[in-house]
Amino acid sequence: DTGVSQDPRHKITKRGQNVTFRCDPISEHNRLYWYRQTLGQGPEFLTYFQNEAQLEKSRLLSDRFSAERPKGSFSTLEIQRTEQGDSAMYLCASRTEGGTNEKLFFGSGTQLSVL
Amino acid sequence: AQKITQTQPGMFVQEKEAVTLDCTYDTSDQSYGLFWYKQPSSGEMIFLIYQGSYDEQNATEGRYSLNFQKARKSANLVISASQLGDSAMYFCAMREGRGYSTLTFGKGTMLLVSP
Repeated sequence: DTGVSQDPRHKITKRGQNVTFRCDPISEHNRLYWYRQTLGQGPEFLTYFQNEAQLEKSRLLSDRFSAERPKGSFSTLEIQRTEQGDSAMYLCASRTEGGTNEKLFFGSGTQLSVL
Repeated sequence: AQKITQTQPGMFVQEKEAVTLDCTYDTSDQSYGLFWYKQPSSGEMIFLIYQGSYDEQNATEGRYSLNFQKARKSANLVISASQLGDSAMYFCAMREGRGYSTLTFGKGTMLLVSP
């Protein structure tokens, strides 16, 4: 497999601007997750897709955050009116459905810096 | 209460020696899964090992083994024969119930392997 791909690797933006990140999961994986990781912390769950359906959202996901997964392939995470507190690493992960293999494959993340 | 507790912010070990990274968890579910991930400075989360709550034997994956003590709610990672490339952040994580496999992560332990 080619792994989970995230773009861009780094994003610097000014407070108040909108940003969008893309995640391409491993092709046969129908489950896709977004996590956020701040400095010195472990990743925190944001949202989950099964195919194109967004089935779970964390309360961390404010109204300024929106995620989509059209056609059940790649996913985008948009943050509107960015705030300095949004500065973090945004990680995408994917896995297959069912079975006993619960291994979650992560991408290298998008590092967001809000100035 | 924290779901995953990693009490060691940092650990040092000499090359070729074994090291144990501690993890305790808190859940009232009967079915859950425990994971260890490695995060090098590049940022990608690399899956190391998985232990299901109903698995009777401790999981092993090459140089990694998971010391699962269910009654004590601990899931320590043992790395045998440490290598310089093992220097990284290590995160313990838990999947509760039989839901969407969203993971709750601990704060991590930084492992430094010296020659």
